[in-house]
Amino acid sequence: EVQLVEFGGGLVQPGRSLRLSCAASGFTFDDYGMNWVRQVPGKGLEWVSGISWNSGSIDYAESVKGRFTISRDNAKKSLYLQMNSLRAEDTALYYCVGPFGVALPWGQGTLVTVSS
Amino acid sequence: EIVLTQSPGSLSLSPGERATLSCRASQTISSSYLAWYQQKPGQAPRLLIYGVSSRTTGIPDRFSGSGSGTDFTLTISRLEPEDFAVYYCQQYGSSPKTFGQGTKVEIK
Repeated sequence: EVQLVEFGGGLVQPGRSLRLSCAASGFTFDDYGMNWVRQVPGKGLEWVSGISWNSGSIDYAESVKGRFTISRDNAKKSLYLQMNSLRAEDTALYYCVGPFGVALPWGQGTLVTVSS
Repeated sequence: EIVLTQSPGSLSLSPGERATLSCRASQTISSSYLAWYQQKPGQAPRLLIYGVSSRTTGIPDRFSGSGSGTDFTLTISRLEPEDFAVYYCQQYGSSPKTFGQGTKVEIK
């Protein structure tokens, strides 16, 4: 069964850091680029960052550029998102997502709340 | 950045009726990289359509996607009770990948 499981979310103060992880199983992880997408509860979807299968191509939304770093470890079948200098507007459910246009199910998300 | 505008914002229909959802892009979407997702309350989005008109495995044929350039449509030919949800379009042909704001299909 294809599965993406995110963890690492929580309550963090503005300006602090948090690292999200995503564990993949049931498919050949290193065949695929991966993405992070976030959603403020009750609101729409926002792409955050993407990484190619070999980490050779990385991209970020302008809203997180310079603060967030995406990475992956193919040996561990894991995707990461290092989030620094967190702001209140980063509060959202963060989803680990496979390549767009490919029907890999999304994870259930991990909630990040940035508040003092 | 390609801005996707979905219309209407919400749609109130009865089971068995036809739903037509629109997604308009601010510029041409390259290589037909346009997808549609369905999201139900408390669930992650699910990919329905990719490449404008290709249905994902397991998606019923009452769902169809069409369009080109900047104008795209998701049609649900006969609404079933399980189809009432929020639908998002997304372009993944150029960065940043962007989503529409969603169309909520509600039971009338």
